[in-house]
Amino acid sequence: DQQVKQNSPSLSVQEGRISILNCDYTNSMFDYFLWYKKYPAEGPTFLISISSIKDKNEDGRFTVFLNKSAKHLSLHIVPSQPGDSAVYFCAANRGSTLGRLYFGRGTQLTVWP
Amino acid sequence: NAGVTQTPKFQVLKTGQSMTLQCAQDMNHEYMSWYRQDPGMGLRLIHYSVGAGITDQGEVPNGYNVSRSTTEDFPLRLLSAAPSQTSVYFCASRRTGGIVEQFFGPGTRLTVL
Repeated sequence: DQQVKQNSPSLSVQEGRISILNCDYTNSMFDYFLWYKKYPAEGPTFLISISSIKDKNEDGRFTVFLNKSAKHLSLHIVPSQPGDSAVYFCAANRGSTLGRLYFGRGTQLTVWP
Repeated sequence: NAGVTQTPKFQVLKTGQSMTLQCAQDMNHEYMSWYRQDPGMGLRLIHYSVGAGITDQGEVPNGYNVSRSTTEDFPLRLLSAAPSQTSVYFCASRRTGGIVEQFFGPGTRLTVL
C-alpha cells in the first residue's frame, strides 16, 4: 500500500516556463516532506524540504507547497531549465527522526528548449 | 568527505550465485539504508539500520541479508541471486537527529542472468 503517490509518471515543459510536480500522501502522521532529484546513472540528491508546520518553502527557483488538509504537496520550478530534466521523487517522514523515508514512484521531468 | 560510497558499480551474476554489495559512509551517520530502484516502481526500501548492531526490514527484504558491525559500513548480501533481483541498488545514510535529509550513494547496477 503506497503511502506517497506521484500520479504523473512524466511531465514535459518548455524552457522558461513553470514546472509543477505533484505528490499526494495518505498518512496524516507524516510531518516532514522532501524532494529528491535523480539524473541517470547517479544517486538521488536532496533538493528541498518542508516541515508540516509550514505551507511553503522556497529555495531559489524551487518552491514546495504543502496543503495538509488535502494531503498534497507540489514542487514548483520557475523558470524551468533544460538542466532540470531528471526524475523527481517525493518523500515523507513520520513523526520521528529515527523513522524511515517513504518515497513516491517518481516523475520524469523533461524541459525542452 | 567521500560521502556515501558503493562498490561495485556494475555486477553480473548467474542465478543462484551469492554476493555482497558494499556500502560505506564517512559522515558518522547513525541511520543507513538500502533501496532498490526498478522502472515504474520508484525507490523501495530493502533493509535499514539505526546504528551498529541494529537492523530492520523494509518493504522488500526477501532474498537479502544485512548486518551493521560498524557505524561506517552497511553491506547488503544476496544469498542466492534470482533474475527478479536485477535492479539498481542505492545505499543511503543520514543523521538520526535534526533534519532527515538522506544522502545517497551512486548506485550498483546488478544483473542476474
